[in-house]
Amino acid sequence: DTAVSQTPKYLVTQMGNDKSIKCEQNLGHDTMYWYKQDSKKFLKIMFSYNNKELIINETVPNRFSPKSPDKAHLNLHINSLELGDSAVYFCASSQRVKNIQYFGAGTRLSVL
Amino acid sequence: AQSVSQHNHHVILSEAASLELGCNYSYGGTVNLFWYVQYPGQHLQLLLKYFSGDPLVKGIKGFEAEFIKSKFSFNLRKPSVQWSDTAEYFCAVNDAGTASKLTFGTGTRLQVTL
Repeated sequence: DTAVSQTPKYLVTQMGNDKSIKCEQNLGHDTMYWYKQDSKKFLKIMFSYNNKELIINETVPNRFSPKSPDKAHLNLHINSLELGDSAVYFCASSQRVKNIQYFGAGTRLSVL
Repeated sequence: AQSVSQHNHHVILSEAASLELGCNYSYGGTVNLFWYVQYPGQHLQLLLKYFSGDPLVKGIKGFEAEFIKSKFSFNLRKPSVQWSDTAEYFCAVNDAGTASKLTFGTGTRLQVTL
């Protein structure tokens, strides 16, 4: 069983569209994260939720909206996609006290 | 704010060579330190971590790292690399008190040749 699973793995779309990426973890963790990895492989935190509550919200355009229906799921919705949104998006989860983060396989988003 | 520097951007080694990848962090408080590896086309996997105690930590696949507090460093080492170690290596840090977001370095691409 995959511990942190993301769907879809690849997403190709046109500028201006709205898209969602889903993330689920079966590790029983209470904290989930979204990271963005750019073309130079630089990884940066975007959001973090702890028990469905937003605890980290970095400087991210408000076109990006995370949603956590329960502590096992953290979805990322992106409105009005732009070329610069092309990247690999990684979901991760941890038990907050220990904070060893486990990563999903990533979603490669290409905006044309 | 925390920051992490990895000065080696691209390292090329022959099999059996020894490896040391540098990692320095900037933060005034107590930190947790991590090394993650990303094999081509795959997700990040934890190699090793330091929370407290013995500053020399051993991880998977023969990797180890040493925390030197006075130098704000957490360098990754392996005595003899293999072709299968070809990957991107990321150093990361977070605040030990809040234990929240990870701040990553820019990564080091390791290429091991046969």
